[in-house]
Amino acid sequence: DGGITQSPKYLFRKEGQNVTLSCEQNLNHDAMYWYRQDPGQGLRLIYYSQIVNDFQKGDIAEGYSVSREKKESFPLTVTSAQKNPTAFYLCASSTTLMGRLYGYTFGSGTRLTVV
Amino acid sequence: AQRVTQPEKLLSVFKGAPVELKCNYSYSGSPELFWYVQYSRQRLQLLLRHISRESIKGFTADLNKGETSFHLKKPFAQEEDSAMYYCAPPGLSGGYQKVTFGTGTKLQVIP
Repeated sequence: DGGITQSPKYLFRKEGQNVTLSCEQNLNHDAMYWYRQDPGQGLRLIYYSQIVNDFQKGDIAEGYSVSREKKESFPLTVTSAQKNPTAFYLCASSTTLMGRLYGYTFGSGTRLTVV
Repeated sequence: AQRVTQPEKLLSVFKGAPVELKCNYSYSGSPELFWYVQYSRQRLQLLLRHISRESIKGFTADLNKGETSFHLKKPFAQEEDSAMYYCAPPGLSGGYQKVTFGTGTKLQVIP
């Protein structure tokens, strides 16, 4: 069953701690993304990666870090430098089909709460 | 910045009334746009893509290059259409640049 798996579904973190959110896909998609979803602000891009071992900052990258060592995996680390980390985090991937861009496939999300 | 814009945060309509969710884009080249929907407690999912000219759950969207718009329409709203809707680019590939998602419109269908 192909798709994107995000884990955990819920995550609690103490202030000052780093935490890593997992994102794995078995769709053979080249591009992967991390978005943050806040009420009233829609989806904001944190980081994206078009290919293994390469990634770019999105609109709100400060306080976050990523890696792309394997095509299937794109973990996001929320560092202690992120001022307001409590949010819903979405991972997505995309590919082309018959030469046309095919659209995003999204994971089910991780809700991070800082306590 | 290249982006898509959804001017309405909330749209309330009565059941059976027509629905139009607005989306405007501001990037050059041949745009390829999509609509995504997020029902309560479900993951964000693709609703339709303009290149395939699909009609999903009664929704359609026409790309208007003159007005740079890709509005989502449905002639008769159903209660189960209540959800969050996002207008979006397809993603990155090759020479495509990063384009921001719309901020989303919450559609509320009143019984």
